[in-house]
Amino acid sequence: AQSVTQPDIHITVSEGASLELRCNYSYGATPYLFWYVQSPGQGLQLLLKYFSGDTLVQGIKGFEAEFKRSQSSFNLRKPSVHWSDAAEYFCAYEGAQKLVFGQGTRLTINP
Amino acid sequence: ETGVTQTPRHLVMGMTNKKSLKCEQHLGHNAMYWYKQSAKKPLELMFVYSLEERVENNSVPSRFSPECPNSSHLFLHLHTLQPEDSALYLCASSQSPPGQGGQTQYFGPGTRLLVL
Repeated sequence: AQSVTQPDIHITVSEGASLELRCNYSYGATPYLFWYVQSPGQGLQLLLKYFSGDTLVQGIKGFEAEFKRSQSSFNLRKPSVHWSDAAEYFCAYEGAQKLVFGQGTRLTINP
Repeated sequence: ETGVTQTPRHLVMGMTNKKSLKCEQHLGHNAMYWYKQSAKKPLELMFVYSLEERVENNSVPSRFSPECPNSSHLFLHLHTLQPEDSALYLCASSQSPPGQGGQTQYFGPGTRLLVL
């Protein structure tokens, strides 16, 4: 079955530290992949997306993600996190009829 | 206003009430969506509309009734809900429906629904 897995439900990092959020997908064809962020009480905001071409994509707020077909992964990274990055992060891919979302990773930032 | 707006932002209703959620998009998009977001569950797609026609209905109970009068507005009519229906209901829009080559969906802030 088509699915998206975010193995880490909750991650805590210190402000200024680097961040990597994992995402694995199960889909036969080349997927269209997305990362969204959701701040408390808000809707989802698009961080970045991969459709084709360069496998390293840049997004807003200093985030980037790398598509690795051999590993079926699309991990999100940021070199140095800020307190305002505390939020929930969702990986998704576009299937034939809908966006399929992962369960989300909640990010906590320690001062 | 820009983007996708939703009203009300918060709603408390009894199980016998009838209420409606409203979504409006100001992006000129042709597809609109309702999602349900419950604690500890992935986002659940409820309905998809493309050019005001429903194209997807993911086995949603009939106590949820969508309406799309035009490409900018989407409603979710609620009646005889259950406590387990308490959740954040998100509306989204995209230029075209999924499956047409990488459609970015833009989300509203959601309506936090509590069913007593």
